[in-house]
Amino acid sequence: GAGVSQTPSNKVTEKGKYVELRCDPISGHTALYWYRQSLGQGPEFLIYFQGTGAADDSGLPNDRFFAVRPEGSVSTLKIQRTERGDSAVYLCASTVQGPLNTGELFFGEGSRLTVL
Amino acid sequence: AQTVTQSQPEMSVQEAETVTLSCTYDTSESDYYLFWYKQPPSRQMILVIRQEAYKQQNATENRFSVNFQKAAKSFSLKISDSQLGDAAMYFCAYRSPPHTGTASKLTFGTGTRLQVTL
Repeated sequence: GAGVSQTPSNKVTEKGKYVELRCDPISGHTALYWYRQSLGQGPEFLIYFQGTGAADDSGLPNDRFFAVRPEGSVSTLKIQRTERGDSAVYLCASTVQGPLNTGELFFGEGSRLTVL
Repeated sequence: AQTVTQSQPEMSVQEAETVTLSCTYDTSESDYYLFWYKQPPSRQMILVIRQEAYKQQNATENRFSVNFQKAAKSFSLKISDSQLGDAAMYFCAYRSPPHTGTASKLTFGTGTRLQVTL
């Protein structure tokens, strides 16, 4: 697509429930990133995919968080047993690798997760 | 690990005036990228300006320019002729060069909220 697309835009869930957030990157972008942005803070890195594999998952806070990118395009961030502290905006970004890379990441509009 | 510090939580500027947003960073790398991103209420991060560390010349994009001081590890953003549409959160960000293959993520500061008044 023309830009990074994230769904849902907003998600309200109850504590303890399971949540999936989806990211569709810009066509042809092989690198995909997930960030979490808490209220009043800057985005914090969660995980980075190069193709289908997670090249760096050092930002995932605990084992309740998991992300996949099975075909190297769309990615899903999965959160199990949600807690109120998981409430945040989850941002996805993508970029092209190789000679065309200009260093910047292209972001979607994020998914706002609210855990009641 | 790299860190990015924005010491101004909020700034205000009158329309048509000039404002400077501050950013400092810490790194042991000699080559890297620095960015300023704008985040309006729509939540989407929009690139404002980019600077490559090996370039001594300060980047400029229309009304936006930077003052890059590599030795001081300082990267400030100057907005000239401020417009109402410039009101947003502004984030400074650092990124290692993609060719290093590691640490390709962006590291963000905590942001500065810019208000533009009439």
